[in-house]
Amino acid sequence: QVQLQESGPGLVKPSETLSLTCTVSGGSLSNSHWNWIRQPAGKGLEWVGHIHNSGSTNSNPSLKSRVTVSVDTSKSQFSLNLRSVTAADTAIYYCARDPVDGYSHFDYWGQGTLVTVSS
Amino acid sequence: EIVLTQSPGTLSLSPGERATLSCRASQSVSSNYLVWYQQKPGQAPRVLIYGVSRRATGIPDRFSGSGSGTDFTLTISRVEPEDSAVYYCHQHDGSSGFTFGPGTKVDIK
Repeated sequence: QVQLQESGPGLVKPSETLSLTCTVSGGSLSNSHWNWIRQPAGKGLEWVGHIHNSGSTNSNPSLKSRVTVSVDTSKSQFSLNLRSVTAADTAIYYCARDPVDGYSHFDYWGQGTLVTVSS
Repeated sequence: EIVLTQSPGTLSLSPGERATLSCRASQSVSSNYLVWYQQKPGQAPRVLIYGVSRRATGIPDRFSGSGSGTDFTLTISRVEPEDSAVYYCHQHDGSSGFTFGPGTKVDIK
């Protein structure tokens, strides 16, 4: 059973960088896209970005200039850096797996971690 | 970017009734890439249906998906109290990434 767990600071100051890590257990990072999705309180879901285990990345066009997703296969982890944050970046951040099986879908999710942007 | 619109915004039903949730896309969506998720309060979303009509592992057969092109439907044949949740559709369009619909809240009383 694949499990994902987000970790990182729960409070980030405006204009600084939000950094989160997702640790994957119960399976390898192979043959999958590893994603970040966020959800402001009481609102809907927004895809942030992803990385393939090969290292190729993509991100939401609305966030692309501020997002970096990286992977450390030796630690079974992938990470999100979101630069120059504002209060609008306050949200629950989820990590999730998209298996490369011909059907794009997020089949395993972390429990989510709340990140608040405030001084 | 493909925009997804969901209707209705809220659906109130009694146990045993049929739920029909709609997801409409601003452009055609590949049938391999249309997904439905269920999210209960305080929980991460859970995949129900992927590839328009394929039930994810462990999902009861009262959940079914259908549609093509720009119009897709999630049907719950006989709702149960535990089906109270927000349901999101989701699509992948290659270079632009992924988008979610705004969700339909289903309330079972």
